[in-house]
Amino acid sequence: EVQLVESGGGLVKPGGSLRLSCAASGFTFSNYRMTWVRQAPGKGLEWVSYIGISGSYIYYADSVKGRFTISRDNAKNSLYLEMNSLGAEDTALYYCARIYDSNVYEVFDIWGQGTMVTVSS
Amino acid sequence: EIVMTQSPATLSVSPGERVTLSCRASQSVSSNLAWYQQKPGQPPRLLIYGASTRATGFPARFSGSGSGTDFTLTISSLQSEDFAVYYCQQYNTWPPYTFGRGTKLEIK
Repeated sequence: EVQLVESGGGLVKPGGSLRLSCAASGFTFSNYRMTWVRQAPGKGLEWVSYIGISGSYIYYADSVKGRFTISRDNAKNSLYLEMNSLGAEDTALYYCARIYDSNVYEVFDIWGQGTMVTVSS
Repeated sequence: EIVMTQSPATLSVSPGERVTLSCRASQSVSSNLAWYQQKPGQPPRLLIYGASTRATGFPARFSGSGSGTDFTLTISSLQSEDFAVYYCQQYNTWPPYTFGRGTKLEIK
């Protein structure tokens, strides 16, 4: 079964840091680009970050640029999101998602269940 | 950044009805438009890509159309399992990928 499982979320104080992980299974992780998307409580979807197959192409939303770092370990079938200088606006459910295996359709075809990040004192 | 605008925000409909959801882009996205369905407590699920291609697992009552800046998602006859929030997303010009704010289908 194709699956993505996020972990690492939790309660963190403003200014703190957190590292999210996403474990992939059921497909050849190293063949797929990956992304993080977040959803604040009761709100819509916000794209956060993208990483290419080898990690050489990386992009961030302006809202997290300079604070978040995306990375991947293809040998471990894992995706990561290092988050620093967290603020209340970063409180959200963080999803990792697979990008469809096509250079034409840049859509997110597989999603994890998400891991909740709460930034509060 | 391309802004995606969905309307209406909420739609109250009865099972069996035909419903049309709208998504408008602030500039042309060609046919690089996707729709996602999200049910409470679940992650989004890819529904439509390329503006009109149905993703695996979704029945033919779901259809997408449009190109350029105006897109629609039509559900021909609403079933109980279709009540959810629907998001459109453009992937023509990225980063960033941008989503609409969603349309919530609720039971009338």
